[in-house]
Amino acid sequence: QLQLQESGPGLVKPSETLSLACTVSGGSISTSIYFWGWIRQPPGKGLEWIGSMFYSGSTYYNPSLKSRVTISVDTSKNHFSLKLSSVTAADTAVYYCARGYSSSGRYQYYFDYWGLGTLVTVSS
Amino acid sequence: QSVLTQPPSASGTPGQRVTISCSGSTSNIGSKTVTWYQHLPGTAPQLLIYGDNQRPSGVPDRFSGSTSGTSASLAISGLQSEDEADYYCAAWDDSLNGLYVFGTGTKVTVL
Repeated sequence: QLQLQESGPGLVKPSETLSLACTVSGGSISTSIYFWGWIRQPPGKGLEWIGSMFYSGSTYYNPSLKSRVTISVDTSKNHFSLKLSSVTAADTAVYYCARGYSSSGRYQYYFDYWGLGTLVTVSS
Repeated sequence: QSVLTQPPSASGTPGQRVTISCSGSTSNIGSKTVTWYQHLPGTAPQLLIYGDNQRPSGVPDRFSGSTSGTSASLAISGLQSEDEADYYCAAWDDSLNGLYVFGTGTKVTVL
């Protein structure tokens, strides 16, 4: 059974960089069939897609966050990471990592396995 | 930012049928397949429906999805207490160079 677990600081200061890792167990991250992504949920609000990365290196980012986001994969550790720079209080949220599937042209696109999420608070 | 609109709440008594709508546009639901997620607070969101109407293994057949034009619906028949959760529709959107969009979310309450 595939499992994903987020890790990283729970508190980040404004203007600094939020860094999270997602460790994948029960399966290899080095697959061309699936992709790996990050989604967040601010307190009291809905889900927001941050971005996704295919093992091939192709990345897709939410246009509203694109200038501040980097997603990367580390196959040696079987994990992938999220970096979000210049954070503000608006970036306070529960951050989820997930595995996804996409068909050609992203006609079918969904996340089938999710981590439990980790709360990141941006505050001085 | 969400471009998929859902009613904020829905409710029903045990055994009833509840339907949740998801309104989008030609750049998302009108041209891509819809996914539905169930989310209980404090837990990982769960994939409920993919490809408009496909259920992953383990999802009860009480849950069904459908689409028509630029709208989608999730139906829960034979409502059970454990169905009380937040439900989100989602789809790829080809606008703005492409992004994955979630619906605004619907809180289902079992009365």
